[in-house]
Amino acid sequence: DAKTTQPPSMDCAEGRAANLPCNHSTISGNEYVYWYRQIHSQGPQYIIHGLKNNETNEMASLIITEDRKSSTLILPHATLRDTAVYYCIVQSNSGYALNFGKGTSLLVTP
Amino acid sequence: ETGVTQTPRHLVMGMTNKKSLKCEQHLGHNAMYWYKQSAKKPLELMFVYSLEERVENNSVPSRFSPECPNSSHLFLHLHTLQPEDSALYLCASSPGLAGDEQFFGPGTRLTVL
Repeated sequence: DAKTTQPPSMDCAEGRAANLPCNHSTISGNEYVYWYRQIHSQGPQYIIHGLKNNETNEMASLIITEDRKSSTLILPHATLRDTAVYYCIVQSNSGYALNFGKGTSLLVTP
Repeated sequence: ETGVTQTPRHLVMGMTNKKSLKCEQHLGHNAMYWYKQSAKKPLELMFVYSLEERVENNSVPSRFSPECPNSSHLFLHLHTLQPEDSALYLCASSPGLAGDEQFFGPGTRLTVL
C-alpha cells in the first residue's frame, strides 16, 4: 500500500473550517483514500473514503486532486469535539490492513 | 457506540498471569481484527479473522493467542507477558475483508507489571 504524509499537528478555531492535508504521491490506480480519526483514549472512527471523485457525508468532505497524489479532509464547522488525531490511509479495494501512520493531531480551540 | 464492545476496559496483570481480552460485535460483520497501540506509536495490526478463520498473523509473539469461536466474538489470550506489552488493545470488525470500513471498539488498556 502507498505511504502517506501528514503534518504532525494543526490548530483550528471553533466554528471555522478545518482543512487537513495528506500527500500520497505513490498511490496506485486501485487504491482508495480513507480517513479515520481517534479521539483521545477511544478507538478510531471511520470518517470518509474516496477513489478519485470528491466525496461528502454528514461528517466531512474529501477533496482528491485530479492526479490523486494528494487530498484534503474538510470539517466544515469544527467543534471542540473534533479535537482528535486524524489518519489518512491509502488502501486497495482488495486489502484490509489499515496502515495508520502517525496522523495529524488537530486541536480545535474556543 | 460503534456496536463493538470490549471487556475489560482496563487490566493490570503480572508477568506470570494468564488473562483474556474479549471483543463482541453486534453488527453482523464477518471479519474481526486485533490491533495494538503502544504509547507514541502507530496502531499495529496483530491478527485478522474472516468467517472465523485466521487470515493474518502479523509476526505476533506466541504469548498472544487469538481465538474466534464465532463471527461475533473474538478473544485475545495473554500469558507470560512482558512490561513492553503494556498498550491499548483495540478490536475492530468489518462487513467483509476487502476495502470495508472498520468499526472499532473502545479498547482495553493493559498494564503489565
